[in-house]
Amino acid sequence: KQEVTQIPAALSVPEGENLVLNCSFTDSAIYNLQWFRQDPGKGLTSLLLIQSSQREQTSGRLNASLDKSSGRSTLYIAASQPGDSATYLCAVYNAGNMLTFGGGTRLMVKP
Amino acid sequence: ETGVTQTPRHLVMGMTNKKSLKCEQHLGHNAMYWYKQSAKKPLELMFVYNFKEQTENNSVPSRFSPECPNSSHLFLHLHTLQPEDSALYLCASSLSGSEYEQYFGPGTRLTVT
Repeated sequence: KQEVTQIPAALSVPEGENLVLNCSFTDSAIYNLQWFRQDPGKGLTSLLLIQSSQREQTSGRLNASLDKSSGRSTLYIAASQPGDSATYLCAVYNAGNMLTFGGGTRLMVKP
Repeated sequence: ETGVTQTPRHLVMGMTNKKSLKCEQHLGHNAMYWYKQSAKKPLELMFVYNFKEQTENNSVPSRFSPECPNSSHLFLHLHTLQPEDSALYLCASSLSGSEYEQYFGPGTRLTVT
């Protein structure tokens, strides 16, 4: 059974810092990996989707990398802003249309 | 925004009530999903439907009963729920196949009293 772990569980940084969120998964036979953002009490906002054949994806200040063989992904956020404060979720796509989520990293960016 | 809508957005129900959650997708997809997000637990898959057929039931209690009358609509019928069933219920859709991105609705916040 696929297990997804996100480290750290919570992170507090001053505005302007570059930061890295980590995601690891136990079964490397994945189709895609996706990063989401979730604001308190809200649904999911898709940030980046990396297909299994890709190594990274970029969108604005966000860069996500994927190392399928080692079961790891990182989400890099450049020049963090208070508006980036949210919970960031990592999810992997497995066979059978199954999407497995990590527990999330709760990010607080202080002005 | 995402083409996946959910109603109601908020629901409060007693343990003896029967209610239903509705999900509709306007993306031409043929797979639909229910997910549950409880406080302090990871989002977890509940049910998967491909071409209106249920292909996955992730050991969900029978007090949750899904229904998929066509590829655009998905329901979750609720009866005799427990307070621990209070959670955010998210619906998603995609093309059928593990390689296709899932698109999520805004969720229904359920409180069981």
